[in-house]
Amino acid sequence: QKEVEQNSGPLSVPEGAIASLNCTYSDRGSQSFFWYRQYSGKSPELIMSIYSNGDKEDGRFTAQLNKASQYVSLLIRDSQPSDSATYLCAAPDRGGYNKLIFGAGTRLAVHP
Amino acid sequence: EPEVTQTPSHQVTQMGQEVILRCVPISNHLYFYWYRQILGQKVEFLVSFYNNEISEKSEIFDDQFSVERPDGSNFTLKIRSTKLEDSAMYFCASATEGAISNQPQHFGDGTRLSIL
Repeated sequence: QKEVEQNSGPLSVPEGAIASLNCTYSDRGSQSFFWYRQYSGKSPELIMSIYSNGDKEDGRFTAQLNKASQYVSLLIRDSQPSDSATYLCAAPDRGGYNKLIFGAGTRLAVHP
Repeated sequence: EPEVTQTPSHQVTQMGQEVILRCVPISNHLYFYWYRQILGQKVEFLVSFYNNEISEKSEIFDDQFSVERPDGSNFTLKIRSTKLEDSAMYFCASATEGAISNQPQHFGDGTRLSIL
């Protein structure tokens, strides 16, 4: 069974700090990864995708992928209280018809 | 920006009743999915649909579940005889291509299904 693992948190950071969210995955052949943000009671909202080793930046968000270590992370710079949410890491199941396998999510709390 | 829309936002149903959850995927998307999330748990895959047929289903998606794309825009999930454990948020998602090609899936706002 392919797995995506995340620390459930909560991760508490002060406003303006960098929040670092981590994810590991079991399928060494996984090629793409997605970070979704989920506010309480709401749906997953895509914020980043990454396919290549290294860093990918989009505004205050940076995704990092290390395929050798089977590790993907999300950095949020200048964290704002509005960033407080659960962040879901997801990878497509290569053996299946493209279903996403989600981690349990890391709850981020940004305090003023 | 185009979005996936789901109706109703909240459905309350008596156990044993049939329920239909509706979704309108993004118009140029070809791959459609249903996921569910029981309160406090992971988002779980239910079924994927492509070219007017189911391409994959999970073990959750038993004979009580069915999906249909009755016209060019709607994508429905039917639960024939609901059980208490079907209470969850149900999310519809769509993608231009399958996830293997790296195209992300976009999610609707979800339907909260409450079985009494």
